[in-house]
Amino acid sequence: DQQVKQNSPSLSVQEGRISILNCDYTNSMFDYFLWYKKYPAEGPTFLISISSIKDKNEDGRFTVFLNKSAKHLSLHIVPSQPGDSAVYFCAASAETSYDKVIFGPGTSLSVIP
Amino acid sequence: DGGITQSPKYLFRKEGQNVTLSCEQNLNHDAMYWYRQDPGQGLRLIYYSQIVNDFQKGDIAEGYSVSREKKESFPLTVTSAQKNPTAFYLCASSTWGDSTIYTFGSGTRLTVV
Repeated sequence: DQQVKQNSPSLSVQEGRISILNCDYTNSMFDYFLWYKKYPAEGPTFLISISSIKDKNEDGRFTVFLNKSAKHLSLHIVPSQPGDSAVYFCAASAETSYDKVIFGPGTSLSVIP
Repeated sequence: DGGITQSPKYLFRKEGQNVTLSCEQNLNHDAMYWYRQDPGQGLRLIYYSQIVNDFQKGDIAEGYSVSREKKESFPLTVTSAQKNPTAFYLCASSTWGDSTIYTFGSGTRLTVV
């Protein structure tokens, strides 16, 4: 049973438009959420995170929104650039096990020039 | 430059053989992790270690073994007991104070022939 779900395996967006990647989770104990970005044949790299005490965190073109009541978070990329084409993993952890992060299956984003 | 080095990048194994994947980090990170990536399943935790000479099983430890004799090194052995070893293996590390933000290696793709 997946505790972190990314229901869209892939997403295509035109360059300059907004990319919205969604993530749902089932474990109400999760209180810290992260997004990682992965290029082919490379390891994932940390992108942005959000604590459950916030509902929004912004870093340049990347913004993560958290809706705790819906157990849903989303990553917005504005404007999207071709270099953003990658697989994006949503991840979550609970206060009791910060050393154990649960990853979603990933969404492959293609930004079309 | 600090980072995590995984070797080899590609590995072919005959059925019934044990193979060891190398992971070395020079980030002075306390915790190290091994993940397995399969299509559509995200990253699944195999083993993790928070300190030298100690390690814990993750969600899919069966058929794998690890050691942590040095802080810098966390090798993973895929034994013949692992029924479906063909996958992309990722090693990661994190600091004790920020244990949810991982630094990943570039991965090893293991293929059983």
